[in-house]
Amino acid sequence: EVQLLESGGGLVKPGGSLRLSCAASGFTFSSYGMSWVRQAPGKGLEWVSGISYSGGTTYYADSVKGRFTVSRDNSKNTLVLQMRSLRAEDTAIYYCAKATEAYCGSDCYTPNDYWGQGTQVTVSS
Amino acid sequence: DIQMTQSPSSLSASVGDRVTVTCRASQGIRNYLAWFQQKPGEAPKSLIYATSSLQSGVPSKFSGSGSGTDFTLTISSLQPEDFATYYCQQYISYPWTFGQGTKVEIK
Repeated sequence: EVQLLESGGGLVKPGGSLRLSCAASGFTFSSYGMSWVRQAPGKGLEWVSGISYSGGTTYYADSVKGRFTVSRDNSKNTLVLQMRSLRAEDTAIYYCAKATEAYCGSDCYTPNDYWGQGTQVTVSS
Repeated sequence: DIQMTQSPSSLSASVGDRVTVTCRASQGIRNYLAWFQQKPGEAPKSLIYATSSLQSGVPSKFSGSGSGTDFTLTISSLQPEDFATYYCQQYISYPWTFGQGTKVEIK
């Protein structure tokens, strides 16, 4: 059974940093790209970042580019989102999600299938 | 960035109704369109990818169609567990973008 468990959320002051983790199990983590998607209170879904199965390619939304860094440790089945210079508008539930197809490189297109339950990030003074 | 626009933003329907949600892309996305369902307090659930392919375990009452810029999600016979918010998403180019959501409520 695919399981994705996010952790690391919490309350942080504007300008602060936070490191989110996503522990994956039930599938061959190193074969699948991964994404982070967030949802601000009462709002819709916003894609934040993606990373290829190897970790060699990363993607970011303009709203977080230069402040957030996505990485993965395939030996530990863990996805990480390092967040810096946090702003009030970064307040949201952050979900990690797994790609539908394995080994999808730059010339293929695959959305997410399984999602974690999310971790709450609150940026407030 | 590709903008995704859903209509309607909300709808009221009865159990047993056939429901259709529309999603329009600001430019052609071929068939790289996914649909997600989200219930209050829960994580999103993947329903459909590649416009019309059901994710594993998703019942056949859900179907998707379209190509290019115009897409639809249809629920053939609405059941109590289907009352939720539905989102479309394009994944042909980064940044991936979602529609604003369509809330399906009980009439």
